[in-house]
Amino acid sequence: EAQVTQNPRYLITVTGKKLTVTCSQNMNHEYMSWYRQDPGLGLRQIYYSMNVEVTDKGDVPEGYKVSRKEKRNFPLILESPSPNQTSLYFCASSFSRRTDTQYFGPGTRLTVL
Amino acid sequence: GQQVMQIPQYQHVQEGEDFTTYCNSSTTLSNIQWYKQRPGGHPVFLIQLVKSGEVKKQKRLTFQFGEAKKNSSLHITATQTTDVGTYFCASTSNSGYALNFGKGTSLLVTP
Repeated sequence: EAQVTQNPRYLITVTGKKLTVTCSQNMNHEYMSWYRQDPGLGLRQIYYSMNVEVTDKGDVPEGYKVSRKEKRNFPLILESPSPNQTSLYFCASSFSRRTDTQYFGPGTRLTVL
Repeated sequence: GQQVMQIPQYQHVQEGEDFTTYCNSSTTLSNIQWYKQRPGGHPVFLIQLVKSGEVKKQKRLTFQFGEAKKNSSLHITATQTTDVGTYFCASTSNSGYALNFGKGTSLLVTP
């Protein structure tokens, strides 16, 4: 089944404890992206990747890191999480390098205490 | 990135009534995408509009892209309870790589 998977789906952590949210797609998509969703703010793009080893900042990159060492994986890294990073995170992918139909993962709900 | 403003923020309708959400920009958009997110779910792609004045239909849903490519609308005819969710528009940046979402319109349909 063609899909985007994220792990973990739920995470409660404490301030400053490094964490990684994994994202994987099995559709051989070129483009992958991370979004955060907050009430009243909609979806905001954190980082995106047009291809392996090619990444760029979205609208809200502060406090996040990403890497794209393999085409199928695009992990989101929070080196030192803070409470303002409590949010619902979505990974998405699309076939072409430019923004095309975005296929979203199921989401990761992160709480930073 | 290119900002898109979406209105209204919320809409509550009786089942069978029509619903429209609007997406506006101060700059010309290269394209517009629409997504639906059910409560507790993830956004699901509905459609992409590219051409000036374009109109596309999907059953009871009608999508329009303005002549000036600065606005778009999604109209649902005779809403059903299955239409409940948040509808987002999104536009591509000039580079074609970043995607900017509107804040969404949450639709509630009561039977």
